[in-house]
Amino acid sequence: AQKVTQAQTEISVVEKEDVTLDCVYETRDTTYYLFWYKQPPSGELVFLIRRNSFDEQNEISGRYSWNFQKSTSSFNFTITASQVVDSAVYFCALSEALETGANNLFFGTGTRLTVIP
Amino acid sequence: DTGVSQNPRHKITKRGQNVTFRCDPISEHNRLYWYRQTLGQGPEFLTYFQNEAQLEKSRLLSDRFSAERPKGSFSTLEIQRTEQGDSAMYLCASSLAAASGDYEQYFGPGTRLTVT
Repeated sequence: AQKVTQAQTEISVVEKEDVTLDCVYETRDTTYYLFWYKQPPSGELVFLIRRNSFDEQNEISGRYSWNFQKSTSSFNFTITASQVVDSAVYFCALSEALETGANNLFFGTGTRLTVIP
Repeated sequence: DTGVSQNPRHKITKRGQNVTFRCDPISEHNRLYWYRQTLGQGPEFLTYFQNEAQLEKSRLLSDRFSAERPKGSFSTLEIQRTEQGDSAMYLCASSLAAASGDYEQYFGPGTRLTVT
């Protein structure tokens, strides 16, 4: 069974600090995808990144970076020099390819990040 | 605006009433998903369409729930005889199928249902 754990329920940081959001996943499949989504106060989920299980290279996009480690089943997300606009709930999600072609997303419970000016 | 749209954005209904939500996916996307999100939780998968065919249904989708995507474009989600436990945000997402699987899913703003 698939499971995504985001142990950090809430995090508060002061603006310009770096912050890392943890994500640990469980799956029995060898082919899967990992995602991060941002849900700002407006409520709409915003896609941030997709990573497949065969690509363990870390990725950097501006102030965002992701560290994928299969050995520890983790896919952590770091925001460098945080800004107030980063305040949101961040969800880590896992999907597996099914026979029907569906890639249902299994979400963690989210981490609420508050960046204090 | 070429993103996923959902209507209505908010719905308040009395217990026992039927409600219907609509989702318009990104136009070239052939896959459409419905999720439900309750307060403090991540979204939970409800059902999935490939074009007009409903190919997956979660056990969360009780007999009171029905979803359609009649022409492979927009989709509707109907809840009959609503219960207070149905109060949640209902999210729609769409994606483009590729040989290697799904591309990322893009979500709409959701419909917030309150059952009184």
